[in-house]
Amino acid sequence: GNSVTQMEGPVTLSEEAFLTINCTYTATGYPSLFWYVQYPGEGLQLLLKATKADDKGSNKGFEATYRKETTSFHLEKGSVQVSDSAVYFCALSDLVDSSYKLIFGSGTRLLVRP
Amino acid sequence: DAGVIQSPRHEVTEMGQEVTLRCKPISGHNSLFWYRQTMMRGLELLIYFNNNVPIDDSGMPEDRFSAKMPNASFSTLKIQPSEPRDSAVYFCASSRGQGNNEQFFGPGTRLTVL
Repeated sequence: GNSVTQMEGPVTLSEEAFLTINCTYTATGYPSLFWYVQYPGEGLQLLLKATKADDKGSNKGFEATYRKETTSFHLEKGSVQVSDSAVYFCALSDLVDSSYKLIFGSGTRLLVRP
Repeated sequence: DAGVIQSPRHEVTEMGQEVTLRCKPISGHNSLFWYRQTMMRGLELLIYFNNNVPIDDSGMPEDRFSAKMPNASFSTLKIQPSEPRDSAVYFCASSRGQGNNEQFFGPGTRLTVL
């Protein structure tokens, strides 16, 4: 079945460092891909998405490119801030019985130190 | 738009008691999802509905768990009888039910079973 694999955390960085969180997927067909972020004590919220190969999703300085050839959707940010500390989830859409659900990765905790 | 509304936000109960969690999806969304999040198991999809019909309940852990969606604006997740291992944060999410549309998460209900 379809699945998502993320790098394990926690990832600890200093402020202004470069961030990469790896995500690879296994899927039949052409799923849409998503990154969600969960701040402490809150629900998940969409950070960015890409719907087809070579699409780049971006938001709040974060970027991810849908790479079909490597089945990857790595999250990057050039300069992280303390406020980016959160758990990041990679996900893909999965069509089941004519309706969609999301398959989530296990999440990667990011801690940014001042 | 009020977003996805969940109640209660916190619930503390004793083992053996019945617990009912409530969710109001975003108006116009036709898919609704119930998730459970724990440190040990991460984010798990319990059940989801499309147009008020349960599509996939394979994530429901046991017969003690049941979910209903009597209309497009309301869903419940019931645990009867509750056990300490049910302690978790339960999230409800809704979407328009299309592959590239995001899921909007509620703030969650933190359940503690003593």
